[in-house]
Formats: sequence, structure tokens, C-alpha cells
Amino acid sequence: NAGVTQTPKFQVLKTGQSMTLQCAQDMNHNSMYWYRQDPGMGLRLIYYSASEGTTDKGEVPNGYNVSRLNKREFSLRLESAAPSQTSVYFCASTKGQATIGQETQYFGPGTRLLVL
Amino acid sequence: GENVEQHPSTLSVQEGDSAVIKCTYSDSASNYFPWYKQELGKRPQLIIDIRSNVGEKKDQRIAVTLNKTAKHFSLHITETQPEDSAVYFCAASIRTGGFKTIFGAGTRLFVKA
Repeated sequence: NAGVTQTPKFQVLKTGQSMTLQCAQDMNHNSMYWYRQDPGMGLRLIYYSASEGTTDKGEVPNGYNVSRLNKREFSLRLESAAPSQTSVYFCASTKGQATIGQETQYFGPGTRLLVL
Repeated sequence: GENVEQHPSTLSVQEGDSAVIKCTYSDSASNYFPWYKQELGKRPQLIIDIRSNVGEKKDQRIAVTLNKTAKHFSLHITETQPEDSAVYFCAASIRTGGFKTIFGAGTRLFVKA
């Protein structure tokens, strides 16, 4: 049982390049989330998926797109990377759908992204 | 907009002393308040949470108190140990049609042996 996994661990991009961050969970959780973590700013929600087939914007969605590929996988895409997107990205999941936002979030190990 | 303020940003204590971290939130509809611990280079992990119908919750050396009237909640760690050194995040969550969780900026706790 690996929990929540993310790939890649590190990535360096040039401004304007695109990339997809992958996230998968093997806990049969219904809801999944993408956060970014910047120094002094805590964790900020980018997008979330309450259940398979649905996605919604979070606090800072601009410049990102997401896909809930199936119940296990939730990917985050940067279409045209900008230096302001340099950050550590965390994927998370929770068991419930109806209880979204009201229960323990299980985080992945993070992806450190540098945009030059 | 909604926000969660967390203080202090850095806290240094002697091993065995207590540590207190305080958070205030702005959205009075928030009803779930988790605390996460993040060790250096690791992922955040839940250490304790409290819901709005409860005023206090304890788990061994960790306790959280909630004052809904004043819109603030606090994390208390007693008998601190070096392994308590980490960044601690508070959060306030609200479910109104959609979902929203706002995290505090974090408190870096140093426990000196």
C-alpha cells in the first residue's frame, strides 16, 4: 500500500514549456487535490476533484489544468510554465466525497518544480 | 477574502517546555480545523483536528482548543522533544456547495536539546 505517489520528484523547465505532474493513490479514495507550497505562504489549493469525473477550481487555479483520469489518478498540467509557478506541488486525497474538506488529507511526497 | 493567520512564524523552545501556536480565521462558517506537521523535506501529515461542535481535544502530548466566538484556535504541545521540531500548519475548512480549506502560513518549531 503506497498511499499517494507523485512523479516526477524534481523538474526544471524553461519559461513557456509545458509539463504534466502525475498523482496516484491506492487507498480507494474518492476525492483528490493539488496544492502548491511556497515559502511563508502555507499550502494553497489549485484544483480539486470531489469524485471521479468532476473537477473544480481552488484558490489559485490560473495557469493550470487538471484531469481526473480515473478514481486513482489526478494529473496537473502546466501548459506554458512561468517563473511564478516555481514551487513545491503536493497532491492529496481524502476518503469521502460527501465529507470533502472535513477529514484527514493524505499527501504525496511532493514535486519540486523550478521554472527558469 | 477568507484567510487564516498563524503566529508565531518561528518558535524556539527548550526540550521539555511547552509550545503554543495560535491561529485566527475569518470565515465564521468554517467548521473543521486540522493541524498538520511537516518535517524537513517531507510531506505534511495530520496530527490532530477539531470540529466546530467541540471546544478542546487532546491526544497524548498534543491538544487543540477552539473558540468559535473569537474565531481562533490553538495547538498546544507539552513536554516537547527534539523530534517535535518541524513546521506546523493550521487550517480552516468550510463546505458550502463546493469546498474550501485555507491553510495558515506555518510555524517553524525548534526544540533545543
